[in-house]
This record gives sequence, C-alpha cells and structure tokens, in this order.
Amino acid sequence: DAKTTQPPSMDCAEGRAANLPCNHSTISGNEYVYWYRQIHSQGPQYIIHGLKNNETNEMASLIITEDRKSSTLILPHATLRDTAVYYCIVRVRSNTGKLIFGQGTTLQVKP
Amino acid sequence: DVKVTQSSRYLVKRTGEKVFLECVQDMDHENMFWYRQDPGLGLRLIYFSYDVKMKEKGDIPEGYSVSREKKERFSLILESASTNQTSMYLCASSFDPAGTGVMLRLFFGSGTQLSVL
Repeated sequence: DAKTTQPPSMDCAEGRAANLPCNHSTISGNEYVYWYRQIHSQGPQYIIHGLKNNETNEMASLIITEDRKSSTLILPHATLRDTAVYYCIVRVRSNTGKLIFGQGTTLQVKP
Repeated sequence: DVKVTQSSRYLVKRTGEKVFLECVQDMDHENMFWYRQDPGLGLRLIYFSYDVKMKEKGDIPEGYSVSREKKERFSLILESASTNQTSMYLCASSFDPAGTGVMLRLFFGSGTQLSVL
C-alpha cells in the first residue's frame, strides 16, 4: 500500500472551510484514497473515499489531483465538533481490514 | 445506523489473567476486525474474520486469539495478560454488499481501554 504524508496539525476557524492535504506520490492505479477521522476517545469514523474522480457526500468533499499524487479533504463549514485527528489512507480495495492509519492530521476548530 | 458495541469501555486486569474482550455488531456484516491503538504507533491489526469460525492473523497476533462462533460476535482473547498489552482495543466490522469480496468501509466501536497491572 502506498505511503501517505499529512501535516501533523492544522487550525481552522469555526464556520470556515477546512482543507486537509494528503500526499501520496507513490500511489498506484488500483489504489483508493480513504479518509477517516477519530474524535477524542472514540473509534475512527469513515468519511469518504475515491479513486480518481472528485467525490462529495454529506460529510465532506474529496478532491484528487489529476496525477493522483495528492488529495484534499474539504469540510465546507467546520464546527467545533469537527475537531479530531484526520487520517488519509491509500489502499487497494480488498476484503481485508489491513488499513495502515499513520499519524494523521490533528484539526483544531476554533471559535 | 450501524452499531458496533464493545462490552467494556474501561477494563483493569492483573498480569497472567485470561481476558475476554467482546464485540457485537448489529448489521449482519461478514467481516470483523480487532485493532489496538497505542500513542505514536497508530492502529495495528491483530486479527480479522471474514466469516463465522474463520479467522486470519493481522500484523501483531502474538499473545492473542479470537473466536467467532456467531456472525454478529467477535471475541478477542488475551490468554495470559501482560503489561505490554495495556492499550486501547478497537473492534470494527465491514460488509460486502455486492458479494464481490470488496471491502468498502469499516465501522468502529468506541474502544476498550485495557490496563494490565
């Protein structure tokens, strides 16, 4: 599975868009990009995933560059409840649970 | 909403004790997983199961065993607890809606913080 690089921490003002970058320069053609987040003292929560097209759901948008070497998770209107550790994971779709979570980005949403 | 329930939020055990961590999911998912989470090491996969009575080793199975007698329940067993097994344990499940063997996403429980003294 490709390795990902994320900034260790970011701040965002409440109500503003939070843009969380992820670098995955060694990604291969059949590898998907997944985003999870972990709020303090809870289990990780799935947010979104994509292969090459941009994706949007009720939680967030995922923008993947054309060369697929990086992506950005966008929380359009961040709230205090979005304060969490955000993990970017690149892996082949399979029926195993071997997700390598890495260190993630700690997003602090401030009032 | 999918619910993955772990039996205990906090657990304190003594070295050498046999410890059972229970996990139940209510959405008929085929796949279930046990991870442990430690500061600086992230989440590491201990064992997973893709069907009743089936199990596969993850990255760190030593000192652990699992049991899956029913589809909704996946148990993690510490045969003889040691202090280096003090950790946050997370259970997860996933499903394969098209039967293609493709895992879409994991649903996690809230975790069990185990302290071994």
